[in-house]
Amino acid sequence: QQPVQSPQAVILREGEDAVINCSSSKALYSVHWYRQKHGEAPVFLMILLKGGEQKGHEKISASFNEKKQQSSLYLTASQLSYSGTYFCGTADNTDKLIFGTGTRLQVFP
Amino acid sequence: DTAVSQTPKYLVTQMGNDKSIKCEQNLGHDTMYWYKQDSKKFLKIMFSYNNKELIINETVPNRFSPKSPDKAHLNLHINSLELGDSAVYFCASSHGAKAFFGQGTRLTVV
Repeated sequence: QQPVQSPQAVILREGEDAVINCSSSKALYSVHWYRQKHGEAPVFLMILLKGGEQKGHEKISASFNEKKQQSSLYLTASQLSYSGTYFCGTADNTDKLIFGTGTRLQVFP
Repeated sequence: DTAVSQTPKYLVTQMGNDKSIKCEQNLGHDTMYWYKQDSKKFLKIMFSYNNKELIINETVPNRFSPKSPDKAHLNLHINSLELGDSAVYFCASSHGAKAFFGQGTRLTVV
């Protein structure tokens, strides 16, 4: 079953912060985050493997709560280049990679 | 040097036709996937192959048939195309759980 992301869409001004949440009804072994710019393929941002793990990429970081089967992506001091659709990806013990419902982020000057 | 390449990038065809999309990866990964992205941007897994063997076959019509001649290639053949098949199809390969995507094939059925 597809993980659910919230919110579905976010509009920001440059420099503002945002949080994107990803929630799964199944037990998770890992959570991945990807960004897809318009007309392009999704690009890997980061993977979180352990419950409670946090990681960072530029000014984008993420956390993974294994018990709650949730992950959150934190975007701080957003830049125009952050615009795109963000997907969480979840993998079970078969490495079957399922993507969440997506969150569209638009950053304006 | 492109890691995951798909051809063609665009495909416009009439209902009822048969078409194929090719995918090749030069990353040495064992696992390859096909995903369908619809107009609402949902990325839905269709198939997954590990070292040429089919390991995931989601609820996809029989008209869709993947073929993996070797672990670097995963092609998708679609028979009797329907209007609802219009979408962007992405091939991906992965090592562990980090996936690399091809550029996508935008299929339009008219």
